[in-house]
Amino acid sequence: EAQVTQNPRYLITVTGKKLTVTCSQNMNHEYMSWYRQDPGLGLRQIYYSMNVEVTDKGDVPEGYKVSRKEKRNFPLILESPSPNQTSLYFCASSLSAGGNTEAFFGQGTRLTVV
Amino acid sequence: AQSVTQLDSQVPVFEEAPVELRCNYSSSVSVYLFWYVQYPNQGLQLLLKYLSGSTLVKGINGFEAEFNKSQTSFHLRKPSVHISDTAEYFCAVSDPGSARQLTFGSGTQLTVLP
Repeated sequence: EAQVTQNPRYLITVTGKKLTVTCSQNMNHEYMSWYRQDPGLGLRQIYYSMNVEVTDKGDVPEGYKVSRKEKRNFPLILESPSPNQTSLYFCASSLSAGGNTEAFFGQGTRLTVV
Repeated sequence: AQSVTQLDSQVPVFEEAPVELRCNYSSSVSVYLFWYVQYPNQGLQLLLKYLSGSTLVKGINGFEAEFNKSQTSFHLRKPSVHISDTAEYFCAVSDPGSARQLTFGSGTQLTVLP
C-alpha cells in the first residue's frame, strides 16, 4: 500500500531535549516536505527536499533541521525543542516538485513540549 | 508569495442541505488550486484539484469546485451533505514556478448536524 509513515504519532517531551520525528514513503517520490499545523493558521511549510541531499527552508524553519540521505526518508530534527514548537506535524511526499503533482500526507505527529 | 484566505473558520449545516466553503487566493499569472480534507485524527487527503481547462472541477465524495480567475476564487460545493462529511477542509494553492509547492489556507471546519 502506498503510504507516508510518520513516527511517533504522539510525543511529549521537555524543553531542550533533542528529538527526531521520522518520515518514510514507499512511493519512490522525489519531493518531500514537513508542515506544522496550528489552530487558525492552517499548515505552514517548515522544510522541503527536492531530492537526496537537496533540502531548503520553507516558511517557518527556525528551530528545525532536516536531512535527506536516502530517497525514502526525511526526518525532522528538533535540536532544542521549546514550548512554541508544540504543534501537529505532517510529512508529505509527491512525485516531483511540480505544483501539479498530488501531495500524500502522513497521519501526523502531535508534539507537546513542556 | 502566494496567500490563501478561507473566509469561514466554522460552517455548521444540517444533513442533506447544500454547502459552500469559500476560498480566495492572491493573484498570480497562473496557479494550481487544491482542496484537501482532514478527517479527525488523520492526515490530509486530496479532494480535487484545478490545473487547467474546465473551470468546474469534480472531486471525490460528490464535491465540486469552480475556479473563477477574475474573482481569484476557488469555492468548494456539495449539493447535499452527509454526517460523514464532517471534517476540516483546506484550500491550497501552488505556484508553478516555485519549488515550495503548497500554500494552505487556515482551514474551514465543516460540521454536519443531524
